[in-house]
Amino acid sequence: EAQVTQNPRYLITVTGKKLTVTCSQNMNHEYMSWYRQDPGLGLRQIYYSMNVEVTDKGDVPEGYKVSRKEKRNFPLILESPSPNQTSLYFCASSFGGLPETQYFGPGTRLLVL
Amino acid sequence: SQQGEEDPQALSIQEGENATMNCSYKTSINNLQWYRQNSGRGLVHLILIRSNEREKHSGRLRVTLDTSKKSSSLLITASRAADTASYFCATDAGGTSYGKLTFGQGTILTVHP
Repeated sequence: EAQVTQNPRYLITVTGKKLTVTCSQNMNHEYMSWYRQDPGLGLRQIYYSMNVEVTDKGDVPEGYKVSRKEKRNFPLILESPSPNQTSLYFCASSFGGLPETQYFGPGTRLLVL
Repeated sequence: SQQGEEDPQALSIQEGENATMNCSYKTSINNLQWYRQNSGRGLVHLILIRSNEREKHSGRLRVTLDTSKKSSSLLITASRAADTASYFCATDAGGTSYGKLTFGQGTILTVHP
């Protein structure tokens, strides 16, 4: 089954404790992206990658890191999480190097205390 | 700033009625996409319309794009209770924003049986 998976789905952590949210897709998609969703703000793009070893900043990259060493994986790293990073995070992927017709993961709900 | 802004923020209708949602954006675009989200789940791609297209259909969905007014509308005909969801427009501006996708804040649609 074609899908985008994210782990963990739910996470409670404390300020400053490094964490990684994994994202994996099995569709051989070139494009992958991370978004955060906050009430009243819609989805905002954090980072995106148009292919392996190619990443770029979205609209809200501060406090996040990403890497794209393999085509299928695009982990999101929070080196020192803060309470303002409490949010619902989505990973998405699409065919070709463009953000068209994206497939979304189920989301990761993060609470930073 | 938000590239896409939806209007209305919330829409409540009876089953069988049509639902129209609007999206306005600020800069020129390569394409505009509409996505649906059911209650905190991952988004599902509905339809993509390119900047050189004016109208597109997919089942009960009709999307129009007016690049002179920088606006798009999504029409759902003969709505069903299962159409209850949040609907987001997303714009791909291309150019110096190549690879970026910007979402609006969404319209919450409630269809009453």
